[in-house]
Amino acid sequence: AQSVTQLGSHVSVSEGALVLLRCNYSSSVPPYLFWYVQYPNQGLQLLLKYTTGATLVKGINGFEAEFKKSETSFHLTKPSAHMSDAAEYFCAVTITNTGFQKLVFGTGTRLLVSP
Amino acid sequence: GAGVSQSPSNKVTEKGKDVELRCDPISGHTALYWYRQSLGQGLEFLIYFQGNSAPDKSGLPSDRFSAERTGGSVSTLTIQRTQQEDSAVYLCASSSTYTTSFGSGTRLTVV
Repeated sequence: AQSVTQLGSHVSVSEGALVLLRCNYSSSVPPYLFWYVQYPNQGLQLLLKYTTGATLVKGINGFEAEFKKSETSFHLTKPSAHMSDAAEYFCAVTITNTGFQKLVFGTGTRLLVSP
Repeated sequence: GAGVSQSPSNKVTEKGKDVELRCDPISGHTALYWYRQSLGQGLEFLIYFQGNSAPDKSGLPSDRFSAERTGGSVSTLTIQRTQQEDSAVYLCASSSTYTTSFGSGTRLTVV
C-alpha cells in the first residue's frame, strides 16, 4: 500500500524567505505524486504533479517539487514566500494503471507567512 | 458550473439524526470520490465510484456510512445515527484521466 509522510504539521517562514515543505512516500511500485493547496473554507487545488519524465516539476504560483527516488521524497519548494502562500499543503500519492486516481494523502502542513 | 459542487456547505445536526450530503461532479468525469477531513487527521479516503463498476467502499468507517451515485453523475453520502466523532469536513472529488478536482466540502457538526 502507498503512504505519504509530511514532516512538520506547521512551518513558519518570513515573507521573501525560502519555503520548503517535506514529503516522503512509500510505494512498492513507481508512484504518481501530487501537491495540493487548501485555502481556508475551500477545497483542494492542485499545485503540481509528478507522473513520469522530468523529476523536477514546476507548478502554479512559483512552486516546484523534485522527485528523488533514492530518497523516496517529493519536497515542495518556493524561492520566495508571499503572504498569499499561507495555507495548508497536502502531499498525495497514487499508483494507477487506469488513468484514474485514488489518492492517499499526508496529514498536511500548515504554512504560516509572517511580514 | 465548471467545478465540483457540494451541498450543503455547512450542516449542523443532532446526535442520532441521519444526514445526506450531496456532490455534483464535473460533467464527463467518470470517477467520483468522497474523503473526510478531520482536524489534524489529513484527508481520509471513504469511497470511490468508477463508471459502472462496483464502488470501492474500503474506506467507509462503519456501516452507518453509505453512498450512492445515480446515473453515473450525482452522488449522495448518507450518515445514519450521527455521532460526535462524525464531525468533519466531507470533500467530494471527481476525476477524468490524470486530473482530479475537489469541491469546497460540507462541514458537518454533530451536536
